[in-house]
Amino acid sequence: AQSVSQHNHHVILSEAASLELGCNYSYGGTVNLFWYVQYPGQHLQLLLKYFSGDPLVKGIKGFEAEFIKSKFSFNLRKPSVQWSDTAEYFCAVRRNYGGSQGNLIFGKGTKLSVKP
Amino acid sequence: DGGITQSPKYLFRKEGQNVTLSCEQNLNHDAMYWYRQDPGQGLRLIYYSQIVNDFQKGDIAEGYSVSREKKESFPLTVTSAQKNPTAFYLCASSIDGGQSYEQYFGPGTRLTVT
Repeated sequence: AQSVSQHNHHVILSEAASLELGCNYSYGGTVNLFWYVQYPGQHLQLLLKYFSGDPLVKGIKGFEAEFIKSKFSFNLRKPSVQWSDTAEYFCAVRRNYGGSQGNLIFGKGTKLSVKP
Repeated sequence: DGGITQSPKYLFRKEGQNVTLSCEQNLNHDAMYWYRQDPGQGLRLIYYSQIVNDFQKGDIAEGYSVSREKKESFPLTVTSAQKNPTAFYLCASSIDGGQSYEQYFGPGTRLTVT
């Protein structure tokens, strides 16, 4: 079955540290990839997405992610985190069947705590 | 101000009672979705609807029902058959179920059943 794995359940960093959150998926076909973020008390919102083209995708708030097809990975990165990045981050994958699309499959999420 | 509204924010029910969660969107989106979020479980799809008067089961539809009589509205009923109904429920919408597949989420309803 299709699955999305996020390697870390909880990551704790100090401000200005670099961030990398892992995401791997199990489907071998064409996929669309997403990172969503849920700040405390706020709506889930889209950070960035990959559909095609340049595998290095830039999103909001200085986040970026790299799609590595050979590794079935879509890791999220930020060179220098801030306290305001404290949130839960979800990776999501959608299978692309050509003419039709599957539904989003979400990973279990990674909680990021940034110490001021 | 466009967006998705879910009401109420917190809902408490006794075991054995059905309860309906509201989801309304004014984004003119065709597709709407219901997810359940449990701690450490991520989001799991309950039901989705790509167009008015049509909906499909997601991965965990047992014990839930939906209707889609209007484009703007996609209410979810948690029935007494749902074995573990206490959870955070998120509604989402997207322009359609095709290439424009970015989903926009509502603020969620936290349901507690005792």
